Amino acid sequence: SAVISQKPSRDICQRGTSLTIQCQVDSQVTMMFWYRQQPGQSLTLIATANQGSEATYESGFVIDKFPISRPNLTFSTLTVSNMSPEDSSIYLCSAGQGQGSYNEQFFGPGTRLTVL
Amino acid sequence: DAKTTQPTSMDCAEGRAANLPCNHSTISGNEYVYWYRQIHSQGPQYIIHGLKNNETNEMASLIITEDRKSSTLILPHATLRDTAVYYCIVRVVTGGFKTIFGAGTRLFVKA
Repeated sequence: SAVISQKPSRDICQRGTSLTIQCQVDSQVTMMFWYRQQPGQSLTLIATANQGSEATYESGFVIDKFPISRPNLTFSTLTVSNMSPEDSSIYLCSAGQGQGSYNEQFFGPGTRLTVL
Repeated sequence: DAKTTQPTSMDCAEGRAANLPCNHSTISGNEYVYWYRQIHSQGPQYIIHGLKNNETNEMASLIITEDRKSSTLILPHATLRDTAVYYCIVRVVTGGFKTIFGAGTRLFVKA
């Protein structure tokens, strides 16, 4: 299994600023993902972080608002840009690995973001 | 990825089996059924997955109907620590897989 850590674990930010969240995996993984979980809601996939190329964003999410980097097979960052109170959520990093049917996806503990 | 339908919430007595149903009537032949759970304030945790045969591991059993249109996750002896939101997901396992979460079932295990 893969162990995922995220920094920061939580932050309180002012409207209009940006926050970069770091995700570190303890082993090389093929896939990395970023999710958002608003209070009391399920997880929503923001994007797939592709190593060495631009991230693949889901409908409703754009690169200008959520720029993502993945410089290698164990690390990724998500930036929440020009924040507003509506961006207050838990942001979760996820990593996937495996072959064939044995295919697991692991999740980090999340970053709790509050925007004032 | 196919959509799934789960009850919003369920109760279970501690020590009894918890049976969590999931409907996935539009599942494709190459999609597997996965179950995850999310305990409060933690990231989701993988439980089990299967294609068409029943599966069992140290955490749970997964029963998939013959037509693959529904499945049931069984926690054989639920404990208070099993209180969580349980997500049933169907997805491919090859290529660029990704996990799309539905609303899940909130399971309350009561003493």
